[in-house]
Amino acid sequence: AQSVTQLGSHVSVSEGALVLLRCNYSSSVPPYLFWYVQYPNQGLQLLLKYTTGATLVKGINGFEAEFKKSETSFHLTKPSAHMSDAAEYFCAVSASEDDKIIFGKGTRLHILP
Amino acid sequence: EAQVTQNPRYLITVTGKKLTVTCSQNMNHEYMSWYRQDPGLGLRQIYYSMNVEVTDKGDVPEGYKVSRKEKRNFPLILESPSPNQTSLYFCASRGLAGGIQETQYFGPGTRLLVL
Repeated sequence: AQSVTQLGSHVSVSEGALVLLRCNYSSSVPPYLFWYVQYPNQGLQLLLKYTTGATLVKGINGFEAEFKKSETSFHLTKPSAHMSDAAEYFCAVSASEDDKIIFGKGTRLHILP
Repeated sequence: EAQVTQNPRYLITVTGKKLTVTCSQNMNHEYMSWYRQDPGLGLRQIYYSMNVEVTDKGDVPEGYKVSRKEKRNFPLILESPSPNQTSLYFCASRGLAGGIQETQYFGPGTRLLVL
């Protein structure tokens, strides 16, 4: 069975500072990993995904994530936070091409002026 | 424009009164799914469908029904809603041809309050 743990339900960073949102996964098979973003009053939007190949994955809006098998982690980073990054972020895992996607509980990112 | 639409967006109802939330996608996707989102619990899958007339339970199916008579539509049915079904509901779809490479698209959400 797969599971995802997101560390910190709320994270606050200053505008211009590094964003780091932590995600650890559990999977009995090689995982597929995702980060989604949810802006206020909207549905989820895919930020980036890891399936196979390069372990550093670049996504939209300047975000990237690195798959570290030894640490079972898939942390999301952005070098410089912008006010428009304020949203809720969900890490997710899937075990196979047709399997369902398991979501973490989410991390709400607050950007301080 | 690729889209997943849900109706209604907001709904207040009373315990026991049957309701249906519609979901439609215009991308000819095989896979469709319903999630509910609750504070502190993230998204939990209710039901999913791999194609027409093929549906299966997710993690929290109790109290819900679905049907998939057409590829584009995947309605969520609450036969006898209860207050613990008050939640934010999302429909999602994705193609299967490219496997997990395919992006999953989400609808805008339906906020349901059961009194």
